[in-house]
Amino acid sequence: GENVEQHPSTLSVQEGDSAVIKCTYSDSASNYFPWYKQELGKRPQLIIDIRSNVGEKKDQRIAVTLNKTAKHFSLHITETQPEDSAVYFCAPLNTGFQKLVFGTGTRLLVSP
Amino acid sequence: EAQVTQNPRYLITVTGKKLTVTCSQNMNHEYMSWYRQDPGLGLRQIYYSMNVEVTDKGDVPEGYKVSRKEKRNFPLILESPSPNQTSLYFCASSLAGAAAGETQYFGPGTRLLVL
Repeated sequence: GENVEQHPSTLSVQEGDSAVIKCTYSDSASNYFPWYKQELGKRPQLIIDIRSNVGEKKDQRIAVTLNKTAKHFSLHITETQPEDSAVYFCAPLNTGFQKLVFGTGTRLLVSP
Repeated sequence: EAQVTQNPRYLITVTGKKLTVTCSQNMNHEYMSWYRQDPGLGLRQIYYSMNVEVTDKGDVPEGYKVSRKEKRNFPLILESPSPNQTSLYFCASSLAGAAAGETQYFGPGTRLLVL
């Protein structure tokens, strides 16, 4: 099965700084790479995803980059704002399987 | 409104008293699953279902049961709850299943305390 590691586990930045969260996975056949955001007391929600035939995807201030050779993908948030404070989860997936494995999460704190 | 609902949202019970947490989705999704969320451990999949009458174990199935008699419902059953099952539980669904790489839509969560 998939082994997933996320780093760092916590990340504190000042408003306006950039934040990068890295997700490392073990299954070289993984081909779908989503990031979920969970605000305090809320449910996780998808914020961005990428498939294995694409190296980078951007949506306004957030982007995801994929390095299939090294088996990791990263979430990039630029110009961070206090509302970006949340826990972020990766969940790399081999679409040949039905089990889902989430990373242990990264708590991002953006200070004004 | 497209949504996943869970009931109850909060539950306090005692060891050994059977309980059921319901999950329902109105999006005609085929794939449904249950997760537990514990501090430092992230979201761990308990059970999943690819379709009606098709269920399988996730990473932490011990002490739990599920059933999928209808496409929209996927209840989680704790036959004899124990304190180590105190956790935050999420139900989720997706259109064509994890195999299609679809977005997971989560319910609002059920916070369970087992005394």
